[in-house]
Amino acid sequence: GEDVEQSLFLSVREGDSSVINCTYTDSSSTYLYWYKQEPGAGLQLLTYIFSNMDMKQDQRLTVLLNKKDKHLSLRIADTQTGDSAIYFCAESSSGGSYIPTFGRGTSLIVHP
Amino acid sequence: EPEVTQTPSHQVTQMGQEVILRCVPISNHLYFYWYRQILGQKVEFLVSFYNNEISEKSEIFDDQFSVERPDGSNFTLKIRSTKLEDSAMYFCASSTGSGEKLFFGSGTQLSVL
Repeated sequence: GEDVEQSLFLSVREGDSSVINCTYTDSSSTYLYWYKQEPGAGLQLLTYIFSNMDMKQDQRLTVLLNKKDKHLSLRIADTQTGDSAIYFCAESSSGGSYIPTFGRGTSLIVHP
Repeated sequence: EPEVTQTPSHQVTQMGQEVILRCVPISNHLYFYWYRQILGQKVEFLVSFYNNEISEKSEIFDDQFSVERPDGSNFTLKIRSTKLEDSAMYFCASSTGSGEKLFFGSGTQLSVL
């Protein structure tokens, strides 16, 4: 079945850029997502990209997609302590009725 | 902003007992989902529900699990006879279209002793 992998932890200094990486296996993935989970809260959709795009920028967030390598990344510019959270990569395809398949989540720790 | 509400936030139960996890999806959403996350593992899809019936389910969602939308506002997940390995955080979500932007609740932490 589909699989999504991401590293478990990332630690950055406030003001630096963060890059969270993800790989997936489903070559028919149509949508790729980044969700954010803050402590005690549910998963919140941050951004998503269609598989026919290779980049999407939204304020401090940049999503890069390498479809050939099935690699997705989320770059957060000027990372703030409020960005500390768990970031989940997810993918969906028509074969799965577009229901997202999630990774394990990457804990981003931002220190002063 | 509208939100998905889940109750309780924590549930402790004895192995073999039945539990019902409750969710109130966003009112104009049509698709409803349950996911779970065992500590340290991936967020796993359990089931999706549309038009008063299950539309998709995973291998995890066996005969011990059932879902119901009893009154047009609540969406429940029942586990008939809980096992130790059912201990996890259970997330409810809803969306306007299948797989479109999912709105998640804050989860119910289920502990089976």
